[in-house]
Amino acid sequence: AQKVTQAQTEISVVEKEDVTLDCVYETRDTTYYLFWYKQPPSGELVFLIRRNSFDEQNEISGRYSWNFQKSTSSFNFTITASQVVDSAVYFCALSEGTSGTYKYIFGTGTRLKVLA
Amino acid sequence: KAGVTQTPRYLIKTRGQQVTLSCSPISGHRSVSWYQQTPGQGLQFLFEYFSETQRNKGNFPGRFSGRQFSNSRSEMNVSTLELGDSALYLCASSLVGGILDTQYFGPGTRLTVL
Repeated sequence: AQKVTQAQTEISVVEKEDVTLDCVYETRDTTYYLFWYKQPPSGELVFLIRRNSFDEQNEISGRYSWNFQKSTSSFNFTITASQVVDSAVYFCALSEGTSGTYKYIFGTGTRLKVLA
Repeated sequence: KAGVTQTPRYLIKTRGQQVTLSCSPISGHRSVSWYQQTPGQGLQFLFEYFSETQRNKGNFPGRFSGRQFSNSRSEMNVSTLELGDSALYLCASSLVGGILDTQYFGPGTRLTVL
């Protein structure tokens, strides 16, 4: 069965600290995609990254970085030098199947609070 | 370019009623997906429409239905509302849909069922 686990319900950090959000997934497929989304207080989800199961290279985008490890079924997200604007709920998601038939499985989200 | 718009933003209904939510995608986007977000169940995929056809469906009862018009605008309907249908309903649009296409989300419609 497909499943995404975000064990951290809420994390609070002080501005400029680094923070890592954990994501562990379960799937029987060999081809799948992993995503991270940010949901600020305004409500709309914002796409951050998509990674396919054949690409285990880590990715860095500004202060954001992602570590994908198939051996541990994890796709963790690190924010370096956090800022107050990073405060949001972050969702990890898994998608399987072909482009014609697929669905997204979301984790329960991690609420990040960055304190000034 | 205008983003995804959803109307209404807030809605209060009573059990047994039905409700229709609307989503206008970004201009040029032909795929619209719907999601339900509740504190208990989290974010769940409802269905996706592309070119007026339902292309994917999540695990929701038949009370949840949708449609898409020729201008790509989409509506979602929930009949015989239950208390558990209280949720934030999010709509997302993308150019052609699919896993490789980036989804852009609207602000959602918050439905409260009394």
